[in-house]
Amino acid sequence: EDQVTQSPEALRLQEGESSSLNCSYTVSGLRGLFWYRQDPGKGPEFLFTLYSAGEEKEKERLKATLTKKESFLHITAPKPEDSATYLCAVQEPGMNTGFQKLVFGTGTRLLVSP
Amino acid sequence: EPEVTQTPSHQVTQMGQEVILRCVPISNHLYFYWYRQILGQKVEFLVSFYNNEISEKSEIFDDQFSVERPDGSNFTLKIRSTKLEDSAMYFCASSPGEAFFGQGTRLTVV
Repeated sequence: EDQVTQSPEALRLQEGESSSLNCSYTVSGLRGLFWYRQDPGKGPEFLFTLYSAGEEKEKERLKATLTKKESFLHITAPKPEDSATYLCAVQEPGMNTGFQKLVFGTGTRLLVSP
Repeated sequence: EPEVTQTPSHQVTQMGQEVILRCVPISNHLYFYWYRQILGQKVEFLVSFYNNEISEKSEIFDDQFSVERPDGSNFTLKIRSTKLEDSAMYFCASSPGEAFFGQGTRLTVV
């Protein structure tokens, strides 16, 4: 069975203290790896899609990278408003080639203190 | 910015009752999904829908569940004879590629 494992489960940072979140995956035929942000009681908010090893994407203080076995979400000089749960998901091929389902990890709860 | 809209935001129902959760996907998206998240657990895939039919469904999506696109804009999830363990956040999503999620409906079965 395909697995997505995220670490750490929780991370507490001081404002400005950079760090990385990890997502390791075992999936046959990776079609895509996704990062989402989820605030309490809200739906996942799309951040990035990565498709191939070596690919990197950036958005403000966030940078996502991908290897053949894992992805990292690097947070540079975080601010309190970056506090959220960050979810990693892998895309599996569905019956229709244009159609995928996502398998999520349990997420990393990030708290950034001022 | 276009967004996926879900109603209601919170639904409380008696065990055994039927509920319908409603979603308006982003217009011009062709693929639709329902996911659920039990409190403190992972987001789980339920079903995907394309061209007016189910494309794939998970083991969770048994005969108790059904989906429908009754018109050109709405996408619904019906849960028949609700059970206590159906209590969860239900998320609708739509995509051209990456999935965009709604804010969810919190279903509480009492």
